Amino acid sequence: QKEVEQDPGPLSVPEGAIVSLNCTYSNSAFQYFMWYRQYSRKGPELLMYTYSSGNKEDGRFTAQVDKSSKYISLFIRDSQPSDSATYLCAMDPGSARQLTFGSGTQLTVLP
Amino acid sequence: NAGVMQNPRHLVRRRGQEARLRCSPMKGHSHVYWYRQLPEEGLKFMVYLQKENIIDESGMPKERFSAEFPKEGPSILRIQQVVRGDSAAYFCASSSTGVVTDTQYFGPGTRLTVL
Repeated sequence: QKEVEQDPGPLSVPEGAIVSLNCTYSNSAFQYFMWYRQYSRKGPELLMYTYSSGNKEDGRFTAQVDKSSKYISLFIRDSQPSDSATYLCAMDPGSARQLTFGSGTQLTVLP
Repeated sequence: NAGVMQNPRHLVRRRGQEARLRCSPMKGHSHVYWYRQLPEEGLKFMVYLQKENIIDESGMPKERFSAEFPKEGPSILRIQQVVRGDSAAYFCASSSTGVVTDTQYFGPGTRLTVL
């Protein structure tokens, strides 16, 4: 079993839709949770960062962490074609500087 | 302010040759991380380096792979005697400190193809 599981998709939504992306994990030591966006043939770009359980909002993006369920989510409101990319969740226990990534969800927002 | 730079962007090697991948961190960053991304898989941590020191190499294969980050110049990931299974995208990230809350900024990656 992988430490971090993420539905690879692909996921296609119409412009303006609310998108929900999710990851589950098995390692209870993870304390820091991140979402990265990766455009084709580019490096990952940090979108959101959350420590422990709770919600965090930044513009159209909301990250949620539920440590009791070992489940994290990223919501994108009013999705745009420019949001089309692969979204990677990543986690860090805090004791080491190595991120553990999910396999990524490929999102396409159709105009 | 240039971001993390990696070169070459694409590298083709035949089986048995050596591959050298270079990473120049963001200005002011002294912490470098290497990750490998296989097709249809997420990024896997390989090694974490500070200037002249390897901090954590727990994700590095025991043979053929080595990494360095000298006092001057870029970080180098070296793969000796490459095999087809080494074909992947190799990403480098950097941060200004080793504090866990400090963002890792990623480069564009080097895509290695082994023929």
